[in-house]
Amino acid sequence: GAVVSQHPSRVICKSGTSVKIECRSLDFQATTMFWYRQFPKKSLMLMATSNEGSKATYEQGVEKDKFLINHASLTLSTLTVTSAHPEDSSFYICSAEGTSGTISYEQYFGPGTRLTVT
Amino acid sequence: AQRVTQPEKLLSVFKGAPVELKCNYSYSGSPELFWYVQYSRQRLQLLLRHISRESIKGFTADLNKGETSFHLKKPFAQEEDSAMYYCALKKPGGYNKLIFGAGTRLAVHP
Repeated sequence: GAVVSQHPSRVICKSGTSVKIECRSLDFQATTMFWYRQFPKKSLMLMATSNEGSKATYEQGVEKDKFLINHASLTLSTLTVTSAHPEDSSFYICSAEGTSGTISYEQYFGPGTRLTVT
Repeated sequence: AQRVTQPEKLLSVFKGAPVELKCNYSYSGSPELFWYVQYSRQRLQLLLRHISRESIKGFTADLNKGETSFHLKKPFAQEEDSAMYYCALKKPGGYNKLIFGAGTRLAVHP
């Protein structure tokens, strides 16, 4: 089946620094990738949708200048948390989806990245 | 606004008992709904989608537009069914954006 990886799985950073999280589709080309944030004991909240070669579409309330998303290739999307603060500590999950013509495939989820900002 | 509600945070049953995980949605158009499952220490994965009308691992879910519900059911729960279950609604407007419910933890006891 389709596999999506995330790197790193865990990261601890100091307040004010930036952190980059990678999301890769390992065995398929992902035309669209999604970034979610999950708070403890809460559901997944969609942050943004990224398409290869174009700007990401952010959900309402998500700061695009703080959460920079790049989807440079059909197998890689990155999320950079800029000037991180403790309130950015969370579990970040990506998903990837491929399409063939008008057919959309299901979303395959990465294992998530636990970010802790001290 | 679109919304998915899973009223139960935890559902605890004994092995062999029937299970029903509730999901209600609010959406004015024709909804496309999914159930995702997350086993312990594993990633989220698709369990089933309503358009497929399939049964996966003994689970079924029927879309009831009148009651705006998409409850997940299994007649006889197994211990290996213990997991977090998320109901999700596809957002309108292009792309397969998903709105997730808060999730229900199913605990199946021996």
